[in-house]
Amino acid sequence: QSALTQPASVSGSPGQSITISCTGTSSDVGGYNYVSWYQQHPGKAPKLIIYDVSNRPSGVSNRFSGSKSANTASLTISGLQAEDEADYYCSSYTISNTLLFGGGTKLTVL
Amino acid sequence: QVQLVESGGGVVQPGGSLRLSCAASEFTFTNYGMHWVRQAPGKGLDWVAFIRNDGSNKYYADSVKGRFTISRDKSKNTLYLQMNSLRAEDTAVYYCAKDLLITMILRGAFDIWGQGTMVTVSS
Repeated sequence: QSALTQPASVSGSPGQSITISCTGTSSDVGGYNYVSWYQQHPGKAPKLIIYDVSNRPSGVSNRFSGSKSANTASLTISGLQAEDEADYYCSSYTISNTLLFGGGTKLTVL
Repeated sequence: QVQLVESGGGVVQPGGSLRLSCAASEFTFTNYGMHWVRQAPGKGLDWVAFIRNDGSNKYYADSVKGRFTISRDKSKNTLYLQMNSLRAEDTAVYYCAKDLLITMILRGAFDIWGQGTMVTVSS
């Protein structure tokens, strides 16, 4: 199975909002509300920031939000901060009882 | 604190075998599904395998099916990944990860990750 499609890079200035998309098919993103988002800083393990499309785990800033429309999920980061600069990955449950990750998006805070 | 610690990585020749371990602490290991996720150098995340909290169900990525086996030992609070017939493309940092929720479904929400262990497949 091919990875979910994410833009390779996005950028924004401090205080701005950015959105990262994650496109799949009706057999994964579009078929289930089991999309998660992870933040990964260089050399570190990923950190869960959104699960089940739009839920935030305890302790995650409310500047992070998730949504989904048809086969595309989105992560929005508002009030961009320098520490948000990282790689972001989406994941989705699939019809084959597997999990699929996106290719990752590098966020640059200008 | 809640922690996962992987071990067992190293350098192995193509066709060889390796067993990874993941020691869990400070949470009820038998309540949660567990996963292995890998990341090749400079590349993205790649889900490898899942085992249900009681070990009753196991799921694998197509790329490792038939070569890798996930298992768990509740007496040792430890997760394992037996990797056979290793290929160069299996070279990666391997992470174990814990499900956020007590669930029977592959939600893909991992709240705790280990520090990772490097596996290099090379002659």
